[in-house]
Amino acid sequence: DTGVSQNPRHKITKRGQNVTFRCDPISEHNRLYWYRQTLGQGPEFLTYFQNEAQLEKSRLLSDRFSAERPKGSFSTLEIQRTEQGDSAMYLCASSLDPGVSYTFGSGTRLTVV
Amino acid sequence: SQQGEEDPQALSIQEGENATMNCSYKTSINNLQWYRQNSGRGLVHLILIRSNEREKHSGRLRVTLDTSKKSSSLLITASRAADTASYFCATADGFGNEKLTFGTGTRLTIIP
Repeated sequence: DTGVSQNPRHKITKRGQNVTFRCDPISEHNRLYWYRQTLGQGPEFLTYFQNEAQLEKSRLLSDRFSAERPKGSFSTLEIQRTEQGDSAMYLCASSLDPGVSYTFGSGTRLTVV
Repeated sequence: SQQGEEDPQALSIQEGENATMNCSYKTSINNLQWYRQNSGRGLVHLILIRSNEREKHSGRLRVTLDTSKKSSSLLITASRAADTASYFCATADGFGNEKLTFGTGTRLTIIP
């Protein structure tokens, strides 16, 4: 297991298009987290899963955003009708010991033009 | 929302010097963690300090925590060019709240 994997690394899309990102966590980690990071800022929490259950969503996660973790393994984050303000790095993390230890992926850089 | 501020926002030092960056936070915490982020990459966990600890060491890293002032500092000794990165503090409040809340980060540049 080589850690948390995120795909794609980069995505450029036109405003109004839908995009989907994938995160493959460390296999034995039952917690999976999504964060968004804009330029020059720290990551901001979006949502997290325990196994397949989505347990918390930030108010940053508008109704254009949806996240799933259908079998408690990989997760997808979809953004519908993208806006320029959605341009950011989207980071995924997984954990077996929440509150203590998290492993982050390299992120997906989204650019909306 | 961000937990707090990091200070300075940017720091440039000569290789071999020590680098100190500070973090302030707003709420009660269970622990505070420091992460490094190389440009355009994900975050790498460096060190965790619990709320009942005042100082912790790991290799060239030294972290202090003052819960009365809601602040922490990260010291990197004998800096190397490879230490060039952004450094973030993150807090976990531990009260059934699993998410990390990050600061705004310090951009560290080591000049060879």
